[in-house]
Amino acid sequence: QKEVEQDPGPLSVPEGAIVSLNCTYSNSAFQYFMWYRQYSRKGPELLMYTYSSGNKEDGRFTAQVDKSSKYISLFIRDSQPSDSATYLCAMSAGAQKLVFGQGTRLTINP
Amino acid sequence: NAGVTQTPKFRVLKTGQSMTLLCAQDMNHEYMYWYRQDPGMGLRLIHYSVGEGTTAKGEVPDGYNVSRLKKQNFLLGLESAAPSQTSVYFCATSWGQGASNEQFFGPGTRLTVL
Repeated sequence: QKEVEQDPGPLSVPEGAIVSLNCTYSNSAFQYFMWYRQYSRKGPELLMYTYSSGNKEDGRFTAQVDKSSKYISLFIRDSQPSDSATYLCAMSAGAQKLVFGQGTRLTINP
Repeated sequence: NAGVTQTPKFRVLKTGQSMTLLCAQDMNHEYMYWYRQDPGMGLRLIHYSVGEGTTAKGEVPDGYNVSRLKKQNFLLGLESAAPSQTSVYFCATSWGQGASNEQFFGPGTRLTVL
């Protein structure tokens, strides 16, 4: 079993829809949770960063962490075609290396 | 500032050939990483370095070697390429690990081994 599980999709939704992306994990020591966005043929770039449990909002993006369920989510409101990308969750336990999910490929249709 | 750059962008090798991938950064970061990305597998760590002159193995180090002779450069070598090493390779850098572990990625190198 992988430490971090993420549904690879692909996920296709119409423009304006609310998108929910999720990851589950098995290592209870994880404290730092991140979402990276990767456009086609580009390197990943950090989108959201959360420490421990709770919510964090940045514009149309909201990251949620539920440590009791070992479950993290990224919500995208009013989705735009420019949001079409692969979204990777990543997490670490303090001074440890990042562990990435497989990535979910998202397409927003105009 | 260029950030993180990778050379070359594309390469095709025959089985058994060798090559070196170069990662260069102008961000003055201590930590550097090499990942490979394969469909359905996400990013897997090959080797990493916590500072000039240091290297350490990651999740999938077999068949690869690395060197960090200068702080700004991290080299990934394939001594005898195999088709299983066909992948997209990403270099990344960060200030440190844990709370300061935002990693900045290069644009990637697409490698095909025939």
